[in-house]
Parts: sequence; structure tokens; C-alpha cells
Amino acid sequence: ETGVTQTPRHLVMGMTNKKSLKCEQHLGHNAMYWYKQSAKKPLELMFVYSLEERVENNSVPSRFSPECPNSSHLFLHLHTLQPEDSALYLCASSQVMAEQETQYFGPGTRLLVL
Amino acid sequence: QQQVKQSPQSLIVQKGGISIINCAYENTAFDYFPWYQQFPGKGPALLIAIRPDVSEKKEGRFTISFNKSAKQFSLHIMDSQPGDSATYFCAADGGTSYGKLTFGQGTILTVHP
Repeated sequence: ETGVTQTPRHLVMGMTNKKSLKCEQHLGHNAMYWYKQSAKKPLELMFVYSLEERVENNSVPSRFSPECPNSSHLFLHLHTLQPEDSALYLCASSQVMAEQETQYFGPGTRLLVL
Repeated sequence: QQQVKQSPQSLIVQKGGISIINCAYENTAFDYFPWYQQFPGKGPALLIAIRPDVSEKKEGRFTISFNKSAKQFSLHIMDSQPGDSATYFCAADGGTSYGKLTFGQGTILTVHP
């Protein structure tokens, strides 16, 4: 285990549903990330929180809403998603300004939007 | 300029052979180049990483070769094993005060017994 947990591991939702993905890191890191992983595409960085402030938002549609209540927890709130949003959503954490800023990934949430 | 181009998309190697995956980048601000390994149902995990002040780094059967002038780096897996079958991603970082990795497209490696 990497020290980064994600729940749920699998999620099926309709386009009108509201759901949330949860990520928790037990590594004492100060930065957390959401990525989207689709088949045959590079990992797409969605959001970055550094020291609990959102420092990057890569033109992600507003139907995705991140929340970082503290340095150990990260949420991704989902509402009125589209079928093309089906993907693996990965959370990661790292210690910024460290000599080697290795990002540690969770196992991901496999999301299917019907 | 932010892209990292990775090739090949897929690779099939016989057990005991050498697997080679290549990446190229444009942004000269990148100063940290990790490789990640991902097994089905798992998130990516750091395999090995290099900084541009060295041309090669070796850890066990895994070696990164780095060519700063060509802006290219590659992963070599010596004596490839079926357990190495996974998806490999190269990445690059640099230019921000927080960690921001730009990933390649990934290479699906299959090692036949």
C-alpha cells in the first residue's frame, strides 16, 4: 500500500446524480492532486492543492468540484456528469519543496456514468 | 511545450530480453524525470527517477539513460520478467513551486514466459 486510500473503488452513477470521491493520505504530505486516467491517453492533471490552497485548475468543467478541508483529505464532488467522464480517477500526494517530490498515488476510483 | 512524448505505445518482449521505452520533452525547465509503473487495478507507483545532472541511473534491472542535449530519456529493463508486465509512464517535473508532473501516454509492456 502507498499510504493513499481512495473510496469508493468503483462507482456507477446516472447523469443526474450527485456523488463524491474521497481521498486520504497518511504520509504527512502537504500537496494533493486529482488526475483523470482514460484509456490510451496520458494522465490528465485536474486539480492541485498545495498547503491546502488550490494552485491549479486545468480547465476542468464545473461539474467537477474539488474540496480540500485539510492536508490529509481531498474530495471530488461530482454532479450532472456526462458519459465521457467515465474514467479512472486517481488521487496523489507529495511533499512539495522536498529534494525529490515523488507523487504517491492511490488505487483510484473507477467511475462509470450511464 | 508542456508535452512529454512516449514510445512505443505497446511492447512485447520475451522473458530474459531487454525492454526499452523512450520519452522526449521540449520544456527545458523540467528538472526531474520519474518513471512510474502501473499494474491493473492499482495506481501508478514510482519505479526510478533521474535529474539532468547525471546521464544514467541504475537500480537493479532498471536503468534510466538521459540525454540532456537531445531532450530525451529512456527506460531499460534488463532480463525482463513476466512480472514486469505492466503499463509504464514517463513523466517530467519542474518550473513550479509545487509538484506538477507532465506524463507521457504510457507503454503497455507484455513479457512472454
